[in-house]
Order: sequence, then C-alpha cells, then structure tokens
Amino acid sequence: KNEVEQSPQNLTAQEGEFITINCSYSVGISALHWLQQHPGGGIVSLFMLSSGKKKHGRLIATINIQEKHSSLHITASHPRDSAVYICAVRGYGGSQGNLIFGKGTKLSVKP
Amino acid sequence: SAVISQKPSRDICQRGTSLTIQCQVDSQVTMMFWYRQQPGQSLTLIATANQGSEATYESGFVIDKFPISRPNLTFSTLTVSNMSPEDSSIYLCSVLDRGNQPQHFGDGTRLSIL
Repeated sequence: KNEVEQSPQNLTAQEGEFITINCSYSVGISALHWLQQHPGGGIVSLFMLSSGKKKHGRLIATINIQEKHSSLHITASHPRDSAVYICAVRGYGGSQGNLIFGKGTKLSVKP
Repeated sequence: SAVISQKPSRDICQRGTSLTIQCQVDSQVTMMFWYRQQPGQSLTLIATANQGSEATYESGFVIDKFPISRPNLTFSTLTVSNMSPEDSSIYLCSVLDRGNQPQHFGDGTRLSIL
C-alpha cells in the first residue's frame, strides 16, 4: 500500500464545475503539500498545510490530521486549471527533502 | 518565494554520453534537492546537494552516476553520466529555505536518451 494515495487518478470536468481531489496518507506528517505540475514538467507549490484550511483565489485546501486526509478544491474551474495535481507529505525525521509523493491526479477541464 | 531557473529545459542525448543540468536560485537557500520523475511515475529524491561538501544520496542512487556540485547557496548542478534509455526522465531541482516553509521546484529538465 502506498503511503500517499490520491483519488481520482484522472478527472475530466466542464468549465465552471466545482472540483475536488482527495489525498489520504498513512504516516505521521509535519506538513502536507499540494503541487501543480504543468505539461512541460514544471511544478508549482500551491499550498503547504499542517492543519485546518487555506484559500488562494479559486483554490481551497483542507486537511484533517486525525483522519489523515486532505482535499484540494477548485471552484469555477477553467481550462487553464488543466494540469496534474500532486499531494506530497513530509514525515518526521529522515532527509529533509524526502517528501513522499502521491501519484498525482490528472485534471482536464473542457471549455 | 524563491525563483528557480533550471537549464536546459529539455535535451535529447545519445546513449553513453553525459549531461549536466544547472539550477540557479535568485536567493540564498538552505537546502537544494534533485528529483527524478520517470514517465508516469511519482517524483523520487536523488540526493540533497550540500554546499561545499559531497551530496547526500538516497538509496539506489550513487555519486558515480549522478555527480552533484553545490559551490554556493544559490547554485547546483546535477550530471547524469553514461546515459542509457532508462535515464529518460524529468529531472527537477527543488529548494527549501526552512522546514516550515513551502518547498519550491524548478521547471524541470526533460531528458530523452536515444
């Protein structure tokens, strides 16, 4: 079993729809990251969470530490939101850079 | 947040050759990392680039294959040596200034080996 599981693996939506991507993890964490990877390969850090909820524009990220679960929501989705969204967690100890990554959710928003 | 410039953005190389990837950050950062993302896979940490000393490699990665330099707090290079088709991947530089800050990534180098 992977330490970080994302669902769904692929998601197709119509422009304007509300989108939710889920992330469950099985290890103790100090922080959880939501990342966006564009087709060219570059990665943008969207959120870093250790508790509660964060909002940036149309993006909202929540985390429930007790349930070891996080969600990324996109309101009023747009074709430019099409990308792979990756959940990554930082555990305790070990290499500082050793984020544990989910396999990503490929989002396609149709006009 | 740190701005990372990674070069080249992509390359197509011949088997047996080596390629050096550069990572330049616009500010001094504490930690720099190199990741590999094989086709359809998650990111895997290759090593932590240490300023002025040898990099710290993760299990399965060795210095002879992936030599890394970090001469100062804003620059690092990763060399992929004696390349084979199995090395075809996206290679990403990443930086972290403090443990309670977001980790930032470069745009990646998409490498194809013929």
